[in-house]
Amino acid sequence: AQSVTQLGSHVSVSEGALVLLRCNYSSSVPPYLFWYVQYPNQGLQLLLKYTTGATLVKGINGFEAEFKKSETSFHLTKPSAHMSDAAEYFCAVSRVITYGNKLVFGAGTILRVKS
Amino acid sequence: DAGVTQSPTHLIKTRGQHVTLRCSPISGHKSVSWYQQVLGQGPQFIFQYYEKEERGRGNFPDRFSARQFPNYSSELNVNALLLGDSALYLCASSSDLQGANVLTFGAGSRLTVL
Repeated sequence: AQSVTQLGSHVSVSEGALVLLRCNYSSSVPPYLFWYVQYPNQGLQLLLKYTTGATLVKGINGFEAEFKKSETSFHLTKPSAHMSDAAEYFCAVSRVITYGNKLVFGAGTILRVKS
Repeated sequence: DAGVTQSPTHLIKTRGQHVTLRCSPISGHKSVSWYQQVLGQGPQFIFQYYEKEERGRGNFPDRFSARQFPNYSSELNVNALLLGDSALYLCASSSDLQGANVLTFGAGSRLTVL
C-alpha cells in the first residue's frame, strides 16, 4: 500500500533562509508524487509533481523537489523563504483504486516564516 | 477559465440532519473526486466519479453518497450528520483517470455540525 510521511508538523524559518520540507513515501510501484500548498481558508494548489523522467522537479513560486528512489523521499525546497510562503504544505502519492485513482496525502507541514 | 467551484462555502448543521454539497468541475474535465479534510489532518479520499460512474470509494460509512450529472457536476450527500463530520469538504477535478494527472481543487465547503 502506498502511504506518505511528512516529518515535522511545523517548520519555522527566517525570511531569506532555506526552506526544507520533508516527505517520505512507501510504494510498491514507481510512484507519482505531488506537493500541494494550502493557504488559510483556501483549497489546495499544486506546487509541482513528479511522474517520470528528470528527478529534480521545478514548480511554482521558486519551489523544487527531488525524487530519490533509494531514499524513498521527495523533499520540497526553496532557496530563500518569503513571508508569502507561510502556509500548510502537503505531500501526496497517487494510488490506483478499483477503477480509478486517488491521492493519499501526508498529514501536512505548517511553514512559518519569521521576519 | 473558471476553476473548480463549490457551494456552499460555509454551512452549519445540527446532528442528525442531512447536507448536500455541490461541485462544478473545470470545463472539459470528466472526473470529479471528493475529499474530507478534518482540522489538522491531510485530506482523505471519499469518492471518485468519472463519466457519471463511481470509480472508487474511500473508507467512509454508507451515510456518505455522491453522484455525477451529465454535465459532469457532482453532489456529495451526507445523512444523519455526526459531530465528527465537521470538516472541510474538497472537490477536485481532472481530465481523466490517469494517475499522473493533476487534481485541481476547489476552495472547499466548510461544514460545522453542532
